[in-house]
Amino acid sequence: GAVVSQHPSWVICKSGTSVKIECRSLDFQATTMFWYRQFPKQSLMLMATSNEGSKATYEQGVEKDKFLINHASLTLSTLTVTSAHPEDSSFYICSAAPIGPSASYTQYFGPGTRLTVL
Amino acid sequence: AQSVAQPEDQVNVAEGNPLTVKCTYSVSGNPYLFWYVQYPNRGLQFLLKYITGDNLVKGSYGFEAEFNKSQTSFHLKKPSALVSDSALYFCAVSRDYKLSFGAGTTVTVRA
Repeated sequence: GAVVSQHPSWVICKSGTSVKIECRSLDFQATTMFWYRQFPKQSLMLMATSNEGSKATYEQGVEKDKFLINHASLTLSTLTVTSAHPEDSSFYICSAAPIGPSASYTQYFGPGTRLTVL
Repeated sequence: AQSVAQPEDQVNVAEGNPLTVKCTYSVSGNPYLFWYVQYPNRGLQFLLKYITGDNLVKGSYGFEAEFNKSQTSFHLKKPSALVSDSALYFCAVSRDYKLSFGAGTTVTVRA
């Protein structure tokens, strides 16, 4: 149980294009989903918190117009990297927190999406 | 502010020997602590968590962790390491449902 998927697993795009990454909770509903960015051999950096049916909350220093987040249902959140540039190349990981008072303390992570911008 | 520290970048052990990955925390109030493992080019897998209750928490794949309030530690342990345990391990603390991660510890188990 508690499986989270991401699509695509990797993507290569040209500079200036936009890329959409999907995050789905497959066997549970998640009011809250999170988006992280990870650089090689480094820890995860929280980018934003996504709540179903409301606007995402971005961490300090993360451009909300650059990284568009939509959480349209209790099982799907999307991250769109707009006008991508080489410095946006990274490993993007999503997580989902199951609905429920104690269950929601645990986040379950997707397998990640490797974005390379040429 | 909530934070965790992993003092060791790398831990190397021989297969069959005990494995310990260290984590200390700094929080205000009751800590909600987690351990995750990451294999190359993969997302994080949940191992275990401490919310309340017994200080010794048992998790997946034979791992356990001991919450020590006086030492503000939450070390991850496995009595007998396997080569397949070689991975990157993250300690994390939760506040308002957000996770703050440690820098990570790379574990290498040699055959």
